[in-house]
Amino acid sequence: DTGVTQSPTHLIKTRGQQVTLRCSPISGHKSVSWYQQVLGQGPQFIFQYYEKEERGRGNFPDRFSARQFPNYSSELNVNALLLGDSALYLCASSSRGDALEPQYFGPGTRLLVL
Amino acid sequence: AQKVTQAQTEISVVEKEDVTLDCVYETRDTTYYLFWYKQPPSGELVFLIRRNSFDEQNEISGRYSWNFQKSTSSFNFTITASQVVDSAVYFCALTGQTGANNLFFGTGTRLTVIP
Repeated sequence: DTGVTQSPTHLIKTRGQQVTLRCSPISGHKSVSWYQQVLGQGPQFIFQYYEKEERGRGNFPDRFSARQFPNYSSELNVNALLLGDSALYLCASSSRGDALEPQYFGPGTRLLVL
Repeated sequence: AQKVTQAQTEISVVEKEDVTLDCVYETRDTTYYLFWYKQPPSGELVFLIRRNSFDEQNEISGRYSWNFQKSTSSFNFTITASQVVDSAVYFCALTGQTGANNLFFGTGTRLTVIP
């Protein structure tokens, strides 16, 4: 079985630009969550989507947005990039999106903002 | 509010030694779930174990074991006879009983196993 996939693997942007990150969940999984991991820290929750609806949102500014498509893949958009947005962005999937379920993570997208 | 504390930032052990990674959590939820994840240098988080708040039985899986103590809000992870392949950053995480399954992670413990 294919795991969670993310694209691109690496990205370099400049301040003020916009970026779109993509994620495909494990086949059969309907929930996708996004996390930001700054160097040396644990991942921080950004969004969860289940069945194309936003189920949860972390403490991130409105510059961050996401959506989920009918095939359960997802995009994370970040507008007006700041230097502090440089991080590893991780996508995770689970079948029902319940608190008790383990989430399975993709390899991440490393974003560098110059 | 949910909080996870991993006080050990970095640990180094010699191969074949046992090592315990500490995790202390805070939550007001009566039902909650604890997780351990491993992050090798490639960056992908690998799920290791889940424990719910009503199950205080310790668990052993091969060289890995977990000790959950509700009285001290701890969920510690022990690797027996460590190997070089165990070198990674290990994260303890917590979810509550709210609708979203957002994981609250600790800051991680970097384990280096020296051959």
